[in-house]
Amino acid sequence: AQSVSQHNHHVILSEAASLELGCNYSYGGTVNLFWYVQYPGQHLQLLLKYFSGDPLVKGIKGFEAEFIKSKFSFNLRKPSVQWSDTAEYFCAVNVGSQGNLIFGKGTKLSVKP
Amino acid sequence: NAGVTQTPKFRVLKTGQSMTLLCAQDMNHEYMYWYRQDPGMGLRLIHYSVGEGTTAKGEVPDGYNVSRLKKQNFLLGLESAAPSQTSVYFCASNTGTVNQPQHFGDGTRLSIL
Repeated sequence: AQSVSQHNHHVILSEAASLELGCNYSYGGTVNLFWYVQYPGQHLQLLLKYFSGDPLVKGIKGFEAEFIKSKFSFNLRKPSVQWSDTAEYFCAVNVGSQGNLIFGKGTKLSVKP
Repeated sequence: NAGVTQTPKFRVLKTGQSMTLLCAQDMNHEYMYWYRQDPGMGLRLIHYSVGEGTTAKGEVPDGYNVSRLKKQNFLLGLESAAPSQTSVYFCASNTGTVNQPQHFGDGTRLSIL
């Protein structure tokens, strides 16, 4: 069965630090990849998505992610985090012709001012 | 734009009681989904629907039923609530095209005593 792994459960950074959150998936075929963010008490919002083309994808709020097919990875990055980036981040994948998403367990990011 | 609207936002039930969560979307989306979110577990798909009158089981369907009588509405029912169903429930919708993101509601926080 397909699965998505997010290796970091909780990441704590100071403001202006660089961020990289790992995401690996298990599926050998065509995938569409997403990162969602959930601010405290809110619903999930799309940060960015990849489905074809340039493997470096830029999203909202200065986030970007790189799809590395050989590593089955789609890591999320931001060069300089802000206190307002404190949230939980979810990687998700859908495969084949389905619209269903498989989510990772999430990474909680805490940014200290 | 309302997007995806979930009612109620909060509910406390006693074990054995029944209730229905309502999800409504105004984007004319074909696909709708119900997830539950539990700490450290990410989002897990309960049931989904690929169109009016159709439903299908997701990863954790036991103890839940759903109906999609109208395209814009997707109802999640708990016939006999159990404490293990204490969770935050999210509804989502999308066009069903694989590279299109899902749009999420604000969630329903359900506690079963």
